[in-house]
Amino acid sequence: EVQLVESGGGLIQPGGSLRLSCVVSGFSVRNNYMSWVRQAPGKGLEWVSLIYSGGSTYYADSVKGRFIISRDVSKNTVYFEMNSLRAEDTAVYYCASPRPGWFDPWGQGVLVTVSS
Amino acid sequence: EIVMTQSPATLSVSPGERATLSCRVSQNVGGNLAWYQQKLGQAPRLLIYDASTRATGVPARFSGSGSGREFTLTISSLQSEDFAVYFCQQYNNWPPYTFGQGTKLEIK
Repeated sequence: EVQLVESGGGLIQPGGSLRLSCVVSGFSVRNNYMSWVRQAPGKGLEWVSLIYSGGSTYYADSVKGRFIISRDVSKNTVYFEMNSLRAEDTAVYYCASPRPGWFDPWGQGVLVTVSS
Repeated sequence: EIVMTQSPATLSVSPGERATLSCRVSQNVGGNLAWYQQKLGQAPRLLIYDASTRATGVPARFSGSGSGREFTLTISSLQSEDFAVYFCQQYNNWPPYTFGQGTKLEIK
């Protein structure tokens, strides 16, 4: 069964750091593109990061230079290191696999709240 | 960056009736467009990809059409479980992938 399970969210102060994890089962992160997509409360979907099967990474301008996507193929897990967090980064963060265009499957999402 | 505009923002339809949702794109994306359904508190669910191909397990009452800059998602006979928010997404020029702002389909 294909499953993506995110963890690591929570309440963090502005300027702080947080690392999200996405444990994947049912397919290999080594051979597939993986992305993070976020959704601010009551808002739409925003793609924020992608890691290619070859390991290249891409970021939305809104997070470039602050966030880092990586993977551990031995653990079949994708990570999202979020630094210098701002209030506007508050969102549910979804791990999802582009195929390579449309996103399927998706994880259940993890809430990140940036507030003092 | 390609901008996606969905209309209307909210659509009120009675169960059993047809719903038609629109997605307009700022540039030609060919057929590289997907539709998602999102229910409250849940992750998005892929409905349609390549503008008109239903994803696995999606009922036949959902259909997608269009190409280039104008796309439509049609739900032929609304069931109670279809009332949700729907998003379109382009994948012709990426990154970035871009999504529309969503159409909320509510019960009339």
